Amino acid sequence: GESVGLHLPTLSVQEGDNSIINCAYSNSASDYFIWYKQESGKGPQFIIDIRSNMDKRQGQRVTVLLNKTVKHLSLQIAATQPGDSAVYFCAETNQGGKLIFGQGTELSVKP
Amino acid sequence: DAGVIQSPRHEVTEMGQEVTLRCKPISGHNSLFWYRQTMMRGLELLIYFNNNVPIDDSGMPEDRFSAKMPNASFSTLKIQPSEPRDSAVYFCASRAGVGRRNTIYFGEGSWLTVV
Repeated sequence: GESVGLHLPTLSVQEGDNSIINCAYSNSASDYFIWYKQESGKGPQFIIDIRSNMDKRQGQRVTVLLNKTVKHLSLQIAATQPGDSAVYFCAETNQGGKLIFGQGTELSVKP
Repeated sequence: DAGVIQSPRHEVTEMGQEVTLRCKPISGHNSLFWYRQTMMRGLELLIYFNNNVPIDDSGMPEDRFSAKMPNASFSTLKIQPSEPRDSAVYFCASRAGVGRRNTIYFGEGSWLTVV
């Protein structure tokens, strides 16, 4: 079936360190994944996406890695800043066009 | 540019009352989504529209919930009668085109409390 889940509910990192947020999915037919960031009191905000024909995609300070063999993807944030503190969701869009979210990981950045 | 606009931002209502949440998608966007977010269930898709037509309403919890999109620039989500378990944040989102790989943009949410 379709489900996207996260390994850890919370992650605490020191400012300046790199953060890695993990996500597992169950549907081997999934071919498009998105990471969203949700700050307190706001709606989810698109960060980066990746298609299944790619293993890696980079943005500004963020990198998403996709391992189709083990159905796992991760979001790496370089030089984590206080403004990165938020809940991060991985999501997939299924063949029917529905955007399905995982549980979310709360990232806390310590100064 | 204006993003997805939702109203009201916050609403507190008594059990049994009718609640209407409103959404104005980004101009030119063809798809519109309603999500509900709670601590227990996370972000759940309730219903989505393509070109004003409901495509999938399998996430609508029960008959007390209804959604309409009378035109390309407006949608409503109605709960009648409301119950305390409906307390949640309701998000509206929109997407340009109907392609599933187009980015979906979210509004700031409507925070509903039913007492």
